[in-house]
Amino acid sequence: QSALTQPASVSGSPGQSITISCTGTSSDVGGYKYVSWYQQHPGKVPKLMIYDVTNRPSGISDRFSGSKSGNTASLTISGLQAEDEADYYCSSYTNSGTLYVFGTGTTVTVL
Amino acid sequence: EVQLVESGGGLVQPGGSLRLSCSVSEFTLSDYGMHWVRQAPGKGLEYVSAISNDGTRIYYGVSVRGRFTISRDISKNTLYLQMSSLRTEDTAIYYCVRRLPNTSKFDYWGQGTLVTVSS
Repeated sequence: QSALTQPASVSGSPGQSITISCTGTSSDVGGYKYVSWYQQHPGKVPKLMIYDVTNRPSGISDRFSGSKSGNTASLTISGLQAEDEADYYCSSYTNSGTLYVFGTGTTVTVL
Repeated sequence: EVQLVESGGGLVQPGGSLRLSCSVSEFTLSDYGMHWVRQAPGKGLEYVSAISNDGTRIYYGVSVRGRFTISRDISKNTLYLQMSSLRTEDTAIYYCVRRLPNTSKFDYWGQGTLVTVSS
């Protein structure tokens, strides 16, 4: 099972919006609603930001939103803030033997 | 407060074995799918293994299949990962994570335990 494809880096200025893509196949992203996104600051534990494509857990800012079209899922961060600078990983259910697969990860830089 | 606490990591030689434990509190293992996720130094996240909430379905990543075994003890509120035939590429922080069944909601992660495979 190959990792889902994410851009290595995305950057934006404070207040701007950025979008991180996560491309898979019909066996994972495209075939199921089970896509989630995680934020990880250096040396910290990953934090759930979005689950089931569009749902935000309690306590997560509404500046974070998720969507999906075909085999590509996306995470949009609106009103970019310095604290959003981190690594972001997508994840999807897969019908392979691993059950779930992660994306390659994207480093977000706030200029 | 929900907590997941991993233990059992350490330094082991290639070919050796190690058993990781994940002690959980404030929820029952039979109510959640449980996963082991690892992260090699400076690298991305990788799913290692999973066990369903009812314990009937078990999954392994391709890189660990045949070498690692996931299990749980409901009475002890503990998840395990038995690792054998360890390789240098198994060096990573290993996280214990819970998932709400029928969702992709991996909402609670442990702090992780470091496994170093080196001679």
